[in-house]
Amino acid sequence: EPEVTQTPSHQVTQMGQEVILRCVPISNHLYFYWYRQILGQKVEFLVSFYNNEISEKSEIFDDQFSVERPDGSNFTLKIRSTKLEDSAMYFCASTGTSGVTDTQYFGPGTRLTVL
Amino acid sequence: GEDVEQSLFLSVREGDSSVINCTYTDSSSTYLYWYKQEPGAGLQLLTYIFSNMDMKQDQRLTVLLNKKDKHLSLRIADTQTGDSAIYFCAADTGRRALTFGSGTRLQVQP
Repeated sequence: EPEVTQTPSHQVTQMGQEVILRCVPISNHLYFYWYRQILGQKVEFLVSFYNNEISEKSEIFDDQFSVERPDGSNFTLKIRSTKLEDSAMYFCASTGTSGVTDTQYFGPGTRLTVL
Repeated sequence: GEDVEQSLFLSVREGDSSVINCTYTDSSSTYLYWYKQEPGAGLQLLTYIFSNMDMKQDQRLTVLLNKKDKHLSLRIADTQTGDSAIYFCAADTGRRALTFGSGTRLQVQP
C-alpha cells in the first residue's frame, strides 16, 4: 500500500540553526500538508501546498518557515532559524483529489529537538 | 474557527466495547475523521464519515454522527490490548486544513 515517508525520523539541532525536514508524499497525490504536534498538545495545521504554491497557512507558519517541492517527489519544510519552541513532531500529509475534499494520509513524523 | 474537543482518557477491559466521544463547533465540517496514534508513531487513519451520513461501520469500528448536536463518536467492539493508543478526532471544513482534538488516550486492561 502506498505511504507517505519522512526523513529524518529524529533531528537534533542547536537554536538558531536552519533545518530542512523532508517528505515524500504518495506519488499520485496533488495536495501536500505540514502539521506539527508539540509534546502533549494537539496536532496543529501549518500549511497546505498545491500546484507549486501555498494554498493556506496558519498563524504559526510565519516568515521563519518555508515549503518547497524541489522535484517531482519531495516536499520539504524549512525552518530558517530554529527556536526552542519549534521542538515538536512534524507530520507531512498528502491527499489525492483536486477540487474535492479527500482523506489526508500522514507520514510517520520527524521529531525535531532544538537545544 | 473550528474547535474540536475530546475527553482525555478512557479505560476499558479487554473484550468490552469502547466509545470515544468528540464534539466540534463548525457545522460546515464536511468530513470527520478518526486517527490512531501509537506511542512514538505517526497518525494512522482509522475511518472517516461524510457529513451527510449518520453512521458508518467498518469491521469492529462504528462511527456515529449527530449533526444537530455536532457530536461524533467512535465505538470499538471487542476491544483488544492492541487497541491501546491515543485516538484523535479531526474535522475538515473543506478548507483543506484539518482541525484536531486533543486526543483520547484509550487504555485496555487485560
